[in-house]
Amino acid sequence: QVQLQQSGAELVKPGTSVKLSCKASGYTFTSNHMNWIKQTTGQGLEWIGIINPGSGGTSYNVKFKGKATLTVDKSSSTAFMQLSSLTPEDSAVYYCARRLGFDYWGQGVMVTVSS
Amino acid sequence: DIQMTQSPSFLSASVGDRVTINCKASQNINRYLNWYQQKLGEAPKLLIYNANSLQTGIPSRFSGSGSGTDFTLTISSLQPEDVATYFCLQHNSWPRTFGAGTKLELK
Repeated sequence: QVQLQQSGAELVKPGTSVKLSCKASGYTFTSNHMNWIKQTTGQGLEWIGIINPGSGGTSYNVKFKGKATLTVDKSSSTAFMQLSSLTPEDSAVYYCARRLGFDYWGQGVMVTVSS
Repeated sequence: DIQMTQSPSFLSASVGDRVTINCKASQNINRYLNWYQQKLGEAPKLLIYNANSLQTGIPSRFSGSGSGTDFTLTISSLQPEDVATYFCLQHNSWPRTFGAGTKLELK
């Protein structure tokens, strides 16, 4: 069955970067796009961007350009999102979700940015 | 960006009630509207895709309708396990955007 297993919670300092992972199983990784989504109590759900694991092609929400960088490792069927220059406003739960239609989601990872 | 206005924000209903949740898009999104259920601490689960198609494994008490700008999720007979937050997603245009969510509680 389709599974998206995300990495564990992160506590990071302001100004640093963090790299989140999303390991896919149960389907052909390179044949399905992967989205990344941010969830906060205040702003709700926000779409960050999408990557085509087959080609490496990406598309970002303008709001997150320069903040998020999406990559993949085809050999391990893992998608990554690096968040840079972290501020407390980046504290959130981050999800990966498969396909243009967002059919399966990872369990989410909480990122806390605090000194 | 397409704005998704979801209503109501909170809903209290009894077991067996018919429940409806609405999403209104600021522009035509055809039928590219999904509905999700999210229980506390869990990943969102796809219920309805493309406005009215029931995802595999989802109980038939869930249904979706609408096209263009106005969409509805209906639970025909509320069950205790349906207590959750529900939200919509438009995947017609970039950037993808979400409704703010409806928190459903038991009365």
